[in-house]
This record gives sequence, structure tokens and C-alpha cells, in this order.
Amino acid sequence: KAGVTQTPRYLIKTRGQQVTLSCSPISGHRSVSWYQQTPGQGLQFLFEYFSETQRNKGNFPGRFSGRQFSNSRSEMNVSTLELGDSALYLCASKASGGEETQYFGPGTRLLVL
Amino acid sequence: ILNVEQSPQSLHVQEGDSTNFTCSFPSSNFYALHWYRWETAKSPEALFVMTLNGDEKKKGRISATLNTKEGYSYLYIKGSQPEDSATYLCAFHSGYALNFGKGTSLLVTP
Repeated sequence: KAGVTQTPRYLIKTRGQQVTLSCSPISGHRSVSWYQQTPGQGLQFLFEYFSETQRNKGNFPGRFSGRQFSNSRSEMNVSTLELGDSALYLCASKASGGEETQYFGPGTRLLVL
Repeated sequence: ILNVEQSPQSLHVQEGDSTNFTCSFPSSNFYALHWYRWETAKSPEALFVMTLNGDEKKKGRISATLNTKEGYSYLYIKGSQPEDSATYLCAFHSGYALNFGKGTSLLVTP
């Protein structure tokens, strides 16, 4: 089975722009979660989508949004980028909404100038 | 935000040494405790998902224990090898989302 894939892997944007990141989960997985990692911080939970519905949301401003498609692929959008949004963004998928292993993608590294 | 603490922050051991790290988490609203291994430039790799107090799990030379009443988990590596060098993350699941610690960075030198 192919693993979780994320595109693009690297991205450079300037302040004020918006960006869309994509995540393709493992085939058959219906839950996709997004995380942000900034230097010196642990992985911070952004949101989780399950069957095209946002199920949980972390403590991030409304500039961060996401969606999930019927094939379980998910996108994350950040509008009006700020320097502090420079981070590694990881997505993770799991089969259902229960308590089982999440499988992570390689991440998208975003640099905001 | 639920506080998950990991110690030590970093560790440098010699090949063959055994080592252990600690993950502390809130003892209330426990749902599960996850351990991940994260090598540089790779995806975090799941090691264990632990749900029951007293759980002990093992995968090769790596094992973990769980104490939900006092809110801690230990990860042990027996006979460390250079390929064990990575950051080890724990994550507490309260039934809402995974809350990650900042990790323990392990370096194993030959």
C-alpha cells in the first residue's frame, strides 16, 4: 500500500499571500488530520476531517482552513500568510475515527518571506 | 491545550547502551498514548498505541510501559544502535485530538 503523500514538499511564499497544501491518505483511510510544527515546538493539531466533515479543530486562527473530498484527499489552506506561519505541515491518516495508529506523510515545508 | 512533557530533551549514548525516556501527561480524560519515532527528513513512524493502565508493548529492542493513574509512560531501548538515532515523540489522546510532546532527541554513536 502506498503511504500518505503530501504536495508540494517545499514552498516559498510572501506575507499576505495564500497557500494550499494537499494530502492524499492511505487508500481506504477516511480520517485525515493536519499538524503544524514550528522550531522549538511540538506538533500542534490543526484539524481533523472524517468523511468530508471537519470533526475536530485545534486552536488556530480562522486563516487556517481545510476540506476533504469524497476520495478522502484533503487540502489545507492558509490565507493572508504571516512570517510566523513558516513551519513544517504534516498530515496523517487513519482508517476510521477510532483510536488507532495514525500514519504520517513526509510534510510540506512552508517558508514565508 | 493539554500539557505533554518529555524528558530528557536530548540524549547521547554509545552503541550498545540501553536507554529510556519519559512522557508525562494529564491523568484525567485519558483515551490513549501514542509513541512515534521520527528520523530526520522522514515521516514520523508509529511505534505503539497504548490504551490500558499497566500496558506493556514491545517491538524488537524497543518497549514501552504505561501508567494512566499517575500520568506517565516510559520508552525503553535495549542495546541502542546508531540506526536508533531519531526523535521520539509521545502524544496524549484525550478523545479529542493528539497532543504531542516536544520529543526526546536520541543520538547513538558507534
